[in-house]
Formats: sequence, C-alpha cells, structure tokens
Amino acid sequence: NAGVTQTPKFRILKIGQSMTLQCTQDMNHNYMYWYRQDPGMGLKLIYYSVGAGITDKGEVPNGYNVSRSTTEDFPLRLELAAPSQTSVYFCASSYALGLAGGFYEQYFGPGTRLTVT
Amino acid sequence: ELKVEQNPLFLSMQEGKNYTIYCNYSTTSDRLYWYRQDPGKSLESLFVLLSNGAVKQEGRLMASLDTKARLSTLHITAAVHDLSATYFCAVVGDSNYQLIWGAGTKLIIKP
Repeated sequence: NAGVTQTPKFRILKIGQSMTLQCTQDMNHNYMYWYRQDPGMGLKLIYYSVGAGITDKGEVPNGYNVSRSTTEDFPLRLELAAPSQTSVYFCASSYALGLAGGFYEQYFGPGTRLTVT
Repeated sequence: ELKVEQNPLFLSMQEGKNYTIYCNYSTTSDRLYWYRQDPGKSLESLFVLLSNGAVKQEGRLMASLDTKARLSTLHITAAVHDLSATYFCAVVGDSNYQLIWGAGTKLIIKP
C-alpha cells in the first residue's frame, strides 16, 4: 500500500513552459485535492475532486487545470508557467460519505518542488 | 467565510517545558484535524477530533476540542527536540468537501 504518490519530486521550468504533475492513490479514496505551499506559508487549495469525472475549483485555480478520469489518478496541469507558480505542490486524498455522512482525514503525498525561472 | 486562526505562529521553547498552541475557527464545525510537517517534508495526520469535548493524546501531545468556544488546543508536555516541526490545524468547510487550514505554528525546541 503506497498511499499517495507524486511525480516528479523536483522540477525546474522556464517561463511559458507547461507540465503535468502526476498524483496517484491506492486507498480507493473518493476525494482528491491539489494544494500549493509557498515558503513559510500554509496550504492553499488549487482544485479538488469528489469522484471520477467531477472536479471543482479551490481558492487559487488560475493557471492550472485538472482532470479525474479514474478514482486513482488526479493530474495537475500547469499551462504557461510563471514565476508566481514557484511552490511546493501537494496532492492529498480522503474518504468521505458525502455532506451528511462524514469526512475523514486527508492523506498527503510527498510533494513536488517546482521552480519557474 | 470560515476562517481558522492559529497562535502563536512561531514558538521557540526549551526542552522540558510545557506549552499550548491554539486554533480558533469562525463558524460552527464539529470536526477538527491536527497535522505535523517536518521541514522539507509532507504533512502527517496527528489527531482527528470529531465532537465537542473530544480529547486525544499521543505521547507528549494532547489535543482537545471545544466546539462551543470554536477552539482547539494542542498541548505539549515536557517538550523534546524531536517535536520541532510546524503544526497545522484544519476544520471542515461549509461544503464538507474541503478543509480550511490555519497558517501553521512553527515550533522550535532547543536542547
């Protein structure tokens, strides 16, 4: 049971380049999330998904796109990278029973450290 | 809008001392989470508090939840250097799909 895995661990992009950050979980969790964490700061939610085929914007979605074609995978796409996207990106997953049913703790991947120059 | 405030944001203390980190949130919620993050690492779940009056303990850390006061505390007893980390609290948002995160408390424990 690997939990939440992310690739790559590190990446340097030039301004204007694009890339996809990969995230996979093997816990059969229905909810998945992408966060960014700037140095010395807390977490900001970029996008989340409540199940395959369903995604929604979080607090800071501009410049990013996501898709969720399977329960296991939730890739994050950066188009036209900008220096402001330099950050550490965390993927997380959790199990939830819906609005009335309960919401369980989030499990985090190891993170991807991205630098845009 | 639900807000979560932690204080202090930075705490430097000596080994052997006791201290408390506070987490206040602005609207009703009966679920609160505490996470730990070591420098350069990911976040690790510490405690899940699911009801008013909930108290959980793990080693030198004890977390409690008062939903009426909208307050959770993380108490550190006889601190040791290994507890140095950043501690985050998070509360379930209105949509129940998201966690709303505090800014984190960076704890440094000096030998």
